[in-house]
Order: sequence, then C-alpha cells, then structure tokens
Amino acid sequence: GAGVSQSPSNKVTEKGKDVELRCDPISGHTALYWYRQSLGQGLEFLIYFQGNSAPDKSGLPSDRFSAERTGGSVSTLTIQRTQQEDSAVYLCASSQDSTNYGYTFGSGTRLTVV
Amino acid sequence: DAKTTQPNSMESNEEEPVHLPCNHSTISGTDYIHWYRQLPSQGPEYVIHGLTSNVNNRMASLAIAEDRKSSTLILHRATLRDAAVYYCILRSTGTASKLTFGTGTRLQVTL
Repeated sequence: GAGVSQSPSNKVTEKGKDVELRCDPISGHTALYWYRQSLGQGLEFLIYFQGNSAPDKSGLPSDRFSAERTGGSVSTLTIQRTQQEDSAVYLCASSQDSTNYGYTFGSGTRLTVV
Repeated sequence: DAKTTQPNSMESNEEEPVHLPCNHSTISGTDYIHWYRQLPSQGPEYVIHGLTSNVNNRMASLAIAEDRKSSTLILHRATLRDAAVYYCILRSTGTASKLTFGTGTRLQVTL
C-alpha cells in the first residue's frame, strides 16, 4: 500500500485481557518500529526490527509486551493481561533502512483499557 | 544518543516565515539531524533531514550551523495547517538506530 497501515484504529478492552495490534509497513521497507504515546505525552520507543537481525526490545516496558514480525513484513504487538496504564496510542513506523531515510508512521491504534 | 534542546513553544502569524531552533552541542560526526512534526491526533510526519549542508524540500528548509552544534528548521510561509509539535532528533548512522523523540516545540499559528 501507499502508507503504513495499522489495525484496529481503536480498541477498547477490559483489564486483564490480551490484545493484538497489527502493523502493515510499506512494501520494501526493511526497518519497522513500534512506539506508544500516552495522552499529552511524548513518543516512547518500544521495539525495533531491522531485516533478519535480532530485534531491539530495549523499550518494552514489561514482559507482558511482545512483538513479532513475520516474513519481514507484517508485525504484531501483543499486550498480555492489559492494565489501565497500557492505555495509549500505539504507533508503528517503517523505513527503507536504519540510517539515512525518514520514518513513515501509521495513524496508530488507540487502546483503551477499562 | 546525543541530546537536542528546543524551545517548548513558539508562535507565528500566518503567511510569515518561521524559524524553529534546535541546539545539539554534543552531536557526533556521524549523526544526522532529523526533523519530524506531529499534527493534532495524527502520527508524526517526516519533514527533512541533513548531515552538514543546508537542505531544502517542498515542506521546509534545514539550515545547519558550520560547527553542526545547532540547526534551524525554516517554514517559509506558515499556514494554520503547520500548527504542530516539531521534533528535532539526532540519528546516528552505522548502527541499528532508532529515533528518540524529545518534547519538541509546539508551534501555534494565528491569523
């Protein structure tokens, strides 16, 4: 597609349930990033995939968070046993490589944990 | 990653040029200077980036100081649609690098 696609655009879930957020990057982009943004806050890095290299998971806030990227394309961010503090907009971005190209962000998934 | 310093907020009148400053005194020789902006209720949008020379594109210009310790994003004619948070970010090359977003500059544009 022309841009980075994220689904769902909105998700309301009950505390304690698991959720999966999907990101479809731009075709051919080898790097994929997940960020989250809480209301009124800045962007917080979560995880980064680059080609076949091991992902940089240094930003994941707890072991309830995990992500995978299948076939070097689509990525899924999974949050287990959701908590209210997980409520945020989860943003995915992709780029042609990890150095001299800009990121293209998706519109995000707004997650609300009630 | 080396840090950047930006003013928290700036105001501009519509149709006037806007100069958004960024200080990055600890920049290394391999750090690129990236600018992104985030409009309300949207994901960030790439604006421009450069290494040493000034850069121009359809959205903006980037002026980089000779010592590279500061840079300025220039919007030549601000419009109401340019109201956003503008982020200045250093991105190192040669390593698996991610963008680390600071608090940015909130630009208000008024009629």
